[in-house]
Amino acid sequence: GNSVTQMEGPVTLSEEAFLTINCTYTATGYPSLFWYVQYPGEGLQLLLKATKADDKGSNKGFEATYRKETTSFHLEKGSVQVSDSAVYFCALSDRGYSGAGSYQLTFGKGTKLSVIP
Amino acid sequence: EAGVVQSPRYKIIEKKQPVAFWCNPISGHNTLYWYLQNLGQGPELLIRYENEEAVDDSQLPKDRFSAERLKGVDSTLKIQPAELGDSAVYLCASSLVGTVNEQFFGPGTRLTVL
Repeated sequence: GNSVTQMEGPVTLSEEAFLTINCTYTATGYPSLFWYVQYPGEGLQLLLKATKADDKGSNKGFEATYRKETTSFHLEKGSVQVSDSAVYFCALSDRGYSGAGSYQLTFGKGTKLSVIP
Repeated sequence: EAGVVQSPRYKIIEKKQPVAFWCNPISGHNTLYWYLQNLGQGPELLIRYENEEAVDDSQLPKDRFSAERLKGVDSTLKIQPAELGDSAVYLCASSLVGTVNEQFFGPGTRLTVL
């Protein structure tokens, strides 16, 4: 079956530090990949997505590139801010770019990021 | 555009009591999902609706959980009777069928069973 593995947290960084959160996946076919963010007390928000190999998703200074050869979708940001403190979830859907596959999202366990001033 | 609305945001009940959660998806979204999120874990799908039809309820514990989506818009998830292990956050999400499954989540209902 499908699975997503994220790096263990929590991650604590100083403001303006570089962020990488690793995510690898196992899936059949050509999944779509997502990063969701959950701020304290709020629901999950889609941060970025990529629907096919070599696509780069980006939003709010965050980036992730869909690497089929390494089955990875690592999240990066060049300079984090205190407001980025949240839990980040990597997820996949095996409903990919072709339109085939199911609609189930499979999530990783989440990585808690704390950014200190 | 309004997002996914859920109520209540918090619910505390005693074990063996019934509880219900309500969700109103984004207008026009025909697919609705209920997820369970345990502390420190990612969400896990309970049930998925396309319009008013439950097309995937394989992970819904049917002995105590039930759900409905009358008229293909709002949805209600019910637990009866609640157990201590049901304490979690219940998330509702919606999406448009035919897209690359970009799901939009509500804020969730945090259930505490005492």
